[in-house]
Amino acid sequence: DVKVTQSSRYLVKRTGEKVFLECVQDMDHENMFWYRQDPGLGLRLIYFSYDVKMKEKGDIPEGYSVSREKKERFSLILESASTNQTSMYLCASTPGQRTGELFFGEGSRLTVL
Amino acid sequence: GENVEQHPSTLSVQEGDSAVIKCTYSDSASNYFPWYKQELGKRPQLIIDIRSNVGEKKDQRIAVTLNKTAKHFSLHITETQPEDSAVYFCAASKMDSNYQLIWGAGTKLIIKP
Repeated sequence: DVKVTQSSRYLVKRTGEKVFLECVQDMDHENMFWYRQDPGLGLRLIYFSYDVKMKEKGDIPEGYSVSREKKERFSLILESASTNQTSMYLCASTPGQRTGELFFGEGSRLTVL
Repeated sequence: GENVEQHPSTLSVQEGDSAVIKCTYSDSASNYFPWYKQELGKRPQLIIDIRSNVGEKKDQRIAVTLNKTAKHFSLHITETQPEDSAVYFCAASKMDSNYQLIWGAGTKLIIKP
């Protein structure tokens, strides 16, 4: 059973703080993704990674960066959090390159005050 | 680029009745169409997907139909039950990559007892 674990379910941060969101998957998947979920906007891709130390921008990368030092771990970094980054963040992973099931974590709800 | 529109945003049906959620896409090269279900407070999970070489796919009470000419696909749930209450997301992608998955805004399905 694939498990994608996000380190924090709920976070409250202040404007300007640096925020780390951690995601770990235990199925040796090559691909990992960070999405942002907002009501009425669906899921929007922030960044993805198809291999260790590799990263590609998604649709809304501004204000975010990522790190993938190990295959199982993909981190999302907000260098200087802003109130418009208040959202639900979902991590996902999938094996291989072709389309198929995305395995999601349970999400991290970030509130920036 | 690809755009996916999903309707309705909210759907309320009586338990036992059928529910239909519709999505349209803009890129005629899209050929992979998954549907995800997200129960309240839980992670999105794949419930069914269809590739463009078939027009319909069924799995027990759920089915997906695809009309490539009109560029729309629909999720059908028959004999709805309380556990079907959730937010449903459609998505579209070119088959060669998960990286290009574009999501609809979601439909909140409410099953009335």
